[in-house]
Amino acid sequence: GAVVSQHPSRVICKSGTSVKIECRSLDFQATTMFWYRQFPKQSLMLMATSNEGSKATYEQGVEKDKFLINHASLTLSTLTVTSAHPEDSSFYICSAAGGGNTDTQYFGPGTRLTVL
Amino acid sequence: GENVEQHPSTLSVQEGDSAVIKCTYSDSASNYFPWYKQELGKRPQLIIDIRSNVGEKKDQRIAVTLNKTAKHFSLHITETQPEDSAVYFCAASMSGNQFYFGTGTSLTVIP
Repeated sequence: GAVVSQHPSRVICKSGTSVKIECRSLDFQATTMFWYRQFPKQSLMLMATSNEGSKATYEQGVEKDKFLINHASLTLSTLTVTSAHPEDSSFYICSAAGGGNTDTQYFGPGTRLTVL
Repeated sequence: GENVEQHPSTLSVQEGDSAVIKCTYSDSASNYFPWYKQELGKRPQLIIDIRSNVGEKKDQRIAVTLNKTAKHFSLHITETQPEDSAVYFCAASMSGNQFYFGTGTSLTVIP
C-alpha cells in the first residue's frame, strides 16, 4: 500500500518551453501532496504544499507563477514548470500524505528535468 | 519556523559495525520524526518513524531514539551491511504538516 507514481521519470526540453509533471497516489486518497526539488548531493527542498480543491501554499522564494501546481483530485497533483530555463534543471519529487498514516509522506520516484 | 540539523554529513563504517546519525530540531511543537533512506537517483523510502509520545522505537536492525527535552533524535543501525549504504535524511514535523528535512548523511558500509 501507499504507492505514489510520478510521470514522466525523465524529461529533456528546450529553454522557454513548459513541462508538466504528474504525481498520483495509486492506492490511497492523498489529502495533501508536496512538491520538492533536490539538487545533486543535497537535501529535499520543499517548494509547495498542495491540498485538493484549494490553492497551493508556496515556500518563500518559490515563484508561484513559474511553478504552477494543480491538485485536481485526491489522487492527482500536477506541477507545471513554465518557460523553463537551464537553471530549472533538477530532480523534482512529489510526496503524498494520507491513507492509513496521515502523519507520514510517501514519495514518488522523481522526475529528472533537463532544460537545454 | 523549524530548523533541523543533521550530523555527520558523511559516515563510513566497516560491515558489521554500528552507525549512528543524529538530528536536532528547534520547534518544540514538532511531534513526528521520520527517517528516510535514499539510494542514488531513487525516491526516499521511509525506514522508521517516531512520535513525540515515545522515547524509542526499534525495527530489527534499526532503532530511533528521541529526547524531547533536548530536542534531538538519533538513528541507530546495527550490524551494518553493504546494502545499507545510501543517504539518510531525518525530518521533523507537526502531524499532517510539511516536513523539515535535515541535510542528509551519506553512509558507506565497507565490506
